[in-house]
Amino acid sequence: QVQLVQSGSELKKPGASVKVSCKASGYTFTYYAMNWVRQAPGQGLEWMGWIRTNTGNPTYAQGFTGRFVFSLDTSVSTAYLQISSLKAEDTAVYYCARAADGGATDWGQGTLVTVSS
Amino acid sequence: DIVMTQTPLSSPVTLGQPASISCRSSQSLVHSDGNTYLSWLQQRPGQPPRLLIYEISNRFSGVPDRFSGSGAGTDFTLKISRVEAEDVGVYYCMQATQFPHTFGQGTKLEIK
Repeated sequence: QVQLVQSGSELKKPGASVKVSCKASGYTFTYYAMNWVRQAPGQGLEWMGWIRTNTGNPTYAQGFTGRFVFSLDTSVSTAYLQISSLKAEDTAVYYCARAADGGATDWGQGTLVTVSS
Repeated sequence: DIVMTQTPLSSPVTLGQPASISCRSSQSLVHSDGNTYLSWLQQRPGQPPRLLIYEISNRFSGVPDRFSGSGAGTDFTLKISRVEAEDVGVYYCMQATQFPHTFGQGTKLEIK
């Protein structure tokens, strides 16, 4: 079965960087793009963008350009989200989700990133 | 960007009774390929979102048949025929027709 397993929670200071991983299994990794979705505390879902896993080409939503970088290591079927120059407002749960059937079919368990001094 | 507007934002429902959530998009969600990429997700408390319905009305694998989706163009509806206790959570519509993909604000389903 399809599984997306994300890395564990992170506590970072403002100005630091963080890299979240999302390891896929149960399907051919390069057949489906990978979405990244943010959920701030008590808030709704926000689409950050996606990365095409066959080409490595990312698409970023407005508000997620510059400090946010999507990347891949196809040899281990893993997608990454890196956030640099962290701010308090980046505190959120970050999800990866497989893009299929015109939507987001399978989701990782989420990674809580807390930014606090 | 396409704005997705859900109503109601909160829905208290009696167990065993039906529930309905509406989602309206600011533009037509019909893609140039002829498909309409409107999906519905459920997020139970403390859990990641889960896909329920894709392309307006197709139930995803393992989703009970009490969930159904309908609509066209800019107006869409998720219906639960008989609400069960495990249906408590927040429901989101999402469009993947146009970049950036966007979500509705979410509708909180709770038991009366």
